[in-house]
Amino acid sequence: EPEVTQTPSHQVTQMGQEVILRCVPISNHLYFYWYRQILGQKVEFLVSFYNNEISEKSEIFDDQFSVERPDGSNFTLKIRSTKLEDSAMYFCASSHGTRWGDEQFFGPGTRLTVL
Amino acid sequence: GNSVTQMEGPVTLSEEAFLTINCTYTATGYPSLFWYVQYPGEGLQLLLKATKADDKGSNKGFEATYRKETTSFHLEKGSVQVSDSAVYFCALSPSGAGNQFYFGTGTSLTVIP
Repeated sequence: EPEVTQTPSHQVTQMGQEVILRCVPISNHLYFYWYRQILGQKVEFLVSFYNNEISEKSEIFDDQFSVERPDGSNFTLKIRSTKLEDSAMYFCASSHGTRWGDEQFFGPGTRLTVL
Repeated sequence: GNSVTQMEGPVTLSEEAFLTINCTYTATGYPSLFWYVQYPGEGLQLLLKATKADDKGSNKGFEATYRKETTSFHLEKGSVQVSDSAVYFCALSPSGAGNQFYFGTGTSLTVIP
């Protein structure tokens, strides 16, 4: 069964450093997403991506965040200058996006720890 | 706006007990509703969904009915097993396609033999 994959599973970085989180969505899906979950809090939407551009983004997704689909398979989230409060589990998801009530398929997540 | 309120956990049950996890929502338009489950060390997996009022989603013995009049989508299972121990998330997707999901806080369930 096709699945969303994410790398790395755990990333430790120093405050102020850049990180890139990688995802491989399901191959025939059209919409891609990033969510994050700070420990003990809700899963929060960051951004959605469709047709090679951002289709929706939340207030969390400020100028220090960017997304890219550099080739036909990868979908990346870059954080330019990490802050302590960026420590969270980051989930990538994808969906067909063309049908009412489409489910989103989630990856296993990348745990980001900012020291 | 759109939001999901989910029963606080953690919940601990004995095997074969009845499970209810409450979920209520606020939404504009006609959302679709979902329950996702997260087993330890894994990502969120779809458990069940319902796309319109009075629909019942079911899977692996779990059920939830989309109640528009009470804006609820409570998760139930008649007899839980140890293998059901996980975190359960209620979520909604607003009308249309390709929209962000809004999640509840998650409810941790532990089933003891």
